[in-house]
Amino acid sequence: QSVLTQPPAASGTPGQRVTLSCSGSSSNIGRNYVNWYQHLPGTAPKLLIYSNNQRPSGVPDRFSGSKSGTSGSLAISGLQSEDEADYYCAAWDDGLNSYVFGTGTKVTVL
Amino acid sequence: QVHLQESGPELVKASETLSLICTVSGGSVNYYYGSWIRQSPGQGLEWIGYIFYLGNTLYNSALKSRVTMSVDTSKNQFSLNLFSVTAADTAVYYCARHDAIPVMEHGLDVWGQGTTVTVYS
Repeated sequence: QSVLTQPPAASGTPGQRVTLSCSGSSSNIGRNYVNWYQHLPGTAPKLLIYSNNQRPSGVPDRFSGSKSGTSGSLAISGLQSEDEADYYCAAWDDGLNSYVFGTGTKVTVL
Repeated sequence: QVHLQESGPELVKASETLSLICTVSGGSVNYYYGSWIRQSPGQGLEWIGYIFYLGNTLYNSALKSRVTMSVDTSKNQFSLNLFSVTAADTAVYYCARHDAIPVMEHGLDVWGQGTTVTVYS
């Protein structure tokens, strides 16, 4: 059972902006960094955001991350059909001394 | 470009040991951590643990009693052993690399494609 909670689903039409949330606690997001991953079934998960709001090289600037208190957010602007995937937040949890993933949000492009 | 590839048996008998190897190409395991992550059918991602190239390990407390990891820098590989498996261990297993920045701030930046392991009885 994950300690990071994400809404199970989100959707939008092409070109729209979608924001995904990730709710944690003081032992994880509250004191550590949020990372975000994109996962298409049958492929390797891809790091989208690290250190709350940094994009690895090659990740489009349509993806942006932020953190406030014990929650993190991932925004996808200019939604595209290829953005249809599962998105997971993750953070280090000091209480569990483990890296924890969120429950995941499935993004559908209508 | 760094590439990770998992290898190992696709089928493991219940109560036996699941053993996987992650081979790193295009780069080195030196100065990096290797993590193992799994995804059970219909479930989310679960971090199993990591090993540093010097051999230091940290395991998910939920699996700690059944997990060991090792590294072979000469072969550029790190490995996972999961003992006494049950059907609940059926999953896609991924290996991934991350740097030595504390609390995995920089995330898992390179992943393998994953390998499906089914536990049968």
